Amino acid sequence: GQQVMQIPQYQHVQEGEDFTTYCNSSTTLSNIQWYKQRPGGHPVFLIQLVKSGEVKKQKRLTFQFGEAKKNSSLHITATQTTDVGTYFCAGRIFVNYGGSQGNLIFGKGTKLSVKP
Amino acid sequence: DAGVTQSPTHLIKTRGQHVTLRCSPISGHKSVSWYQQVLGQGPQFIFQYYEKEERGRGNFPDRFSARQFPNYSSELNVNALLLGDSALYLCASSPVAGHGANYGYTFGSGTRLTVV
Repeated sequence: GQQVMQIPQYQHVQEGEDFTTYCNSSTTLSNIQWYKQRPGGHPVFLIQLVKSGEVKKQKRLTFQFGEAKKNSSLHITATQTTDVGTYFCAGRIFVNYGGSQGNLIFGKGTKLSVKP
Repeated sequence: DAGVTQSPTHLIKTRGQHVTLRCSPISGHKSVSWYQQVLGQGPQFIFQYYEKEERGRGNFPDRFSARQFPNYSSELNVNALLLGDSALYLCASSPVAGHGANYGYTFGSGTRLTVV
């Protein structure tokens, strides 16, 4: 079945260092979303990318969508302790089901820890 | 405005029992999706409902079923519980469904199910 792979599984950084997580799909995606889940919490929507080659920024976070719409990345510049959590990519894969239907498939996430 | 509400927050059941989990989406949202999140993993797609109709089903056994009510709230039912069903069950709300739906999901805080 369709899969969304995410690496690395874990990343430990010193506060102030940069962080990047990568997401790769076996099939072309309609769009890709990124979520952050704090320890003990639930996923919180960060952003959605729709267009091939799209780049979006949110303060220290930079999100990219690949030209083939099969891969994506999240880069955090100068990490802070508030960035701690697990970052998930979620790809919307077009599946024909009684009409248009797009299930959101999550990667396994990258768990970020930041040492002060 | 109230966010996505799920009940109960925690639940302990015995193998073989049945469980019903409930979700109320954000007011005005017509789509509800259910996800299972095992500790340390990404959310796994179970079902999506839109306008009271099933619009997607993940790779879960027939022991899992769901429905959506006229007020757009939803129930997830799991029969003949197994130890492996122990997980955080997340409900996600969105205005619409489908591959053209460019909306992020709003997740509830989840129901932590423990099967003993």
